[in-house]
Amino acid sequence: KQEVTQIPAALSVPEGENLVLNCSFTDSAIYNLQWFRQDPGKGLTSLLLIQSSQREQTSGRLNASLDKSSGRSTLYIAASQPGDSATYLCAVRKTGTASKLTFGTGTRLQVTL
Amino acid sequence: DTAVSQTPKYLVTQMGNDKSIKCEQNLGHDTMYWYKQDSKKFLKIMFSYNNKELIINETVPNRFSPKSPDKAHLNLHINSLELGDSAVYFCASSQASGTGNTIYFGEGSWLTVV
Repeated sequence: KQEVTQIPAALSVPEGENLVLNCSFTDSAIYNLQWFRQDPGKGLTSLLLIQSSQREQTSGRLNASLDKSSGRSTLYIAASQPGDSATYLCAVRKTGTASKLTFGTGTRLQVTL
Repeated sequence: DTAVSQTPKYLVTQMGNDKSIKCEQNLGHDTMYWYKQDSKKFLKIMFSYNNKELIINETVPNRFSPKSPDKAHLNLHINSLELGDSAVYFCASSQASGTGNTIYFGEGSWLTVV
């Protein structure tokens, strides 16, 4: 059974800092991994999707990496801003299980002024 | 334009009632999902439909019955609501089952059973 863990559970950083969020998964037979952002009282917004054959994806100040063999992914946020404050979730899609995404527990990020 | 829309956004109801949450996507996707987010913010899949056919049912009580009248709609009907059903329910869609395409989520429906 796939288990996805995110560390840390919560993080507070001053504006302008670079930061790394971690995601680990127990079964390396994944099809892809997706990072989401969830604002309080809102739905999920997709940030980056990495296919199992890829090592990283970049979008603006965000960079996500994937090391499938070790079961790890990181989300790097450069020059953090207060608007980045949200909960960040990673989710993996396992090979052969059609549509199912298994979510991590999330990292709650607070970027302070 | 809202890609995945679900209604109602908030729903407060008494135990034992039957309620429905509707979901529509205008992205032309052929796969739709229902996820549940519990009080600890943990998201877990409930159902997945591909081209109106059920492909995932994650041991959800049979009080929950999804209905997909067409590819663009996946509604969730809940019978005999219980206190433990209180949660946020998210509808989502993606292009196709088993591919690498991004999954898009609705804004969520906050269900409170009293």
